[in-house]
Amino acid sequence: KQEVTQIPAALSVPEGENLVLNCSFTDSAIYNLQWFRQDPGKGLTSLLLIQSSQREQTSGRLNASLDKSSGRSTLYIAASQPGDSATYLCAVSRSGTASKLTFGTGTRLQVTL
Amino acid sequence: DTEVTQTPKHLVMGMTNKKSLKCEQHMGHRAMYWYKQKAKKPPELMFVYSYEKLSINESVPSRFSPECPNSSLLNLHLHALQPEDSALYLCASSRQGQMNTEAFFGQGTRLTVV
Repeated sequence: KQEVTQIPAALSVPEGENLVLNCSFTDSAIYNLQWFRQDPGKGLTSLLLIQSSQREQTSGRLNASLDKSSGRSTLYIAASQPGDSATYLCAVSRSGTASKLTFGTGTRLQVTL
Repeated sequence: DTEVTQTPKHLVMGMTNKKSLKCEQHMGHRAMYWYKQKAKKPPELMFVYSYEKLSINESVPSRFSPECPNSSLLNLHLHALQPEDSALYLCASSRQGQMNTEAFFGQGTRLTVV
């Protein structure tokens, strides 16, 4: 059974700092990995999708990497802003069942002024 | 348009009530999903519809009954729920097939069972 873990569970940083969120998964037979953002009580906003054949994806201040063989992904946020405060979730889909996402435990990020 | 719309946003229902959650997308996606999220936990998959047919049921109790009347709509019918079913119910959609299966989520329905 796929297990997805995110470290740290919570993180507080001052505005302007660069930061890295970590995601690890136990079964490397994934089809893709997706990073989401969730504001309190709200739905999920897709940030980045990395196919299993890719190593990296970038969108604005966000950069996600994937090392499938070691079961790890990182989300790098550059020049953090208070508006980045949210919970960040990674999710993996298994090869052959691309539609079934298994979510990580989430990292709650607070960016302070 | 990358929007998945869920209604209602909030729902309070008694244990003997029957209610329905609705989800709509107009992105041409042929895979649609229901997830359940308890407080401070990650979302957990409930159902997957592929081309309007139920393809995955994650052993969900029968008091939850999904329906996909057409390629744009997904419903979740609720009957005889328990207080522990209170949660955020999220709908999602994605393109079917092996290319670009990025999932898009709605804002959720906050369900409270009293």
